Amino acid sequence: DSGVTQTPKHLITATGQRVTLRCSPRSGDLSVYWYQQSLDQGLQFLIQYYNGEERAKGNILERFSAQQFPDLHSELNLSSLELGDSALYFCASSFGQRHSGANVLTFGAGSRLTVL
Amino acid sequence: EDQVTQSPEALRLQEGESSSLNCSYTVSGLRGLFWYRQDPGKGPEFLFTLYSAGEEKEKERLKATLTKKESFLHITAPKPEDSATYLCAVHAEGGNMLTFGGGTRLMVKP
Repeated sequence: DSGVTQTPKHLITATGQRVTLRCSPRSGDLSVYWYQQSLDQGLQFLIQYYNGEERAKGNILERFSAQQFPDLHSELNLSSLELGDSALYFCASSFGQRHSGANVLTFGAGSRLTVL
Repeated sequence: EDQVTQSPEALRLQEGESSSLNCSYTVSGLRGLFWYRQDPGKGPEFLFTLYSAGEEKEKERLKATLTKKESFLHITAPKPEDSATYLCAVHAEGGNMLTFGGGTRLMVKP
């Protein structure tokens, strides 16, 4: 158990629907990162939050949004879902804002989204 | 645009047969290169960080090395429990994101 908790583990939904993925970071960590992993694209960075504020943005679609709450948990909202959104969505956490050997990412087990 | 390419995509080894995985990268300025291990159904797990050419890090049967254009993950006398996907990622100057390669799926047969 990495200490990063993601729910749900599996989610099956239909095109056009909206889902919310939830992440609780490891105790003491202030940064939360969201990544998407698909077979053809590999692991792609979506967005980072640090202590409630957005810090970095990757290739996140406009249909996707995220936020980090005062208790530091984070939610990733995916709307108007398309077949191509089917993927594993990982949350990772770290204590600080910047990547380094002393501030590495701890990943959760992921949420597998299937869009039918 | 930062790019990370890993080869081979898949590698089958016999137990005890040493080999190396390659990670080639193109970045505007390297702040760090990271190696992660990912087991099926799990998230990536951190292995090493390398910062500058010539640097080496070791952990059990794994040794990571770095040059100005690539990194190698050497696996010495692998065991079946070393079977996993190994991911390489770079942190480039001017941003705070990791760019991952596609990974190498390693299978070690007893």
